[in-house]
Amino acid sequence: AQSVAQPEDQVNVAEGNPLTVKCTYSVSGNPYLFWYVQYPNRGLQFLLKYITGDNLVKGSYGFEAEFNKSQTSFHLKKPSALVSDSALYFCAVRDPRYILTGGGNKLTFGTGTQLKVEL
Amino acid sequence: SQTIHQWPATLVQPVGSPLSLECTVEGTSNPNLYWYRQAAGRGLQLLFYSVGIGQISSEVPQNLSASRPQDRQFILSSKKLLLSDSGFYLCAWSPRLAGTYEQYFGPGTRLTVT
Repeated sequence: AQSVAQPEDQVNVAEGNPLTVKCTYSVSGNPYLFWYVQYPNRGLQFLLKYITGDNLVKGSYGFEAEFNKSQTSFHLKKPSALVSDSALYFCAVRDPRYILTGGGNKLTFGTGTQLKVEL
Repeated sequence: SQTIHQWPATLVQPVGSPLSLECTVEGTSNPNLYWYRQAAGRGLQLLFYSVGIGQISSEVPQNLSASRPQDRQFILSSKKLLLSDSGFYLCAWSPRLAGTYEQYFGPGTRLTVT
């Protein structure tokens, strides 16, 4: 079965510094990978995805993620963190061979990493 | 553009009472629909998904049920709530477009069972 791991419960960064939120995946075949952000008491917002192609994927709000097949990783990055980036970040994976009955897509989410950006 | 709504935003219900949470999607047709529960502000658990009207699949056995009476409406229900049903309930949708696999989430409903 497909899975993702987010090894850090919390990441602390000073504003203006680069940030990295880590994600590793386990899936047979080609992975489809996603990053989401969740602000307190809100739904998840889609940031970016990797399906195929360039290993560096650019997304919303200046975020990007680097797909590394040999290390089975898909780390989220931003060159310069903002206090407003403080939120809960989720990595997710879809196993392309796992198609819900009728064609729906099942995503498996990591446990989340709390990002704190301080002045 | 597409919008997903959930209501109510918050709900406090006593143990043993019924539950009905509603989710609607605007600006698209024939979406895939999903119900998730998020406990303790962290991990998401897929509860139900639907690929069409009246078509519901359950991912985990539990005290809850789901229905899809209309194309863009998804309802989560319970006949008798348990304390363990407390949590943050998220509805999501995904389009039926080749090459599009991401899901888009609603604002959520915070349910507290007392």
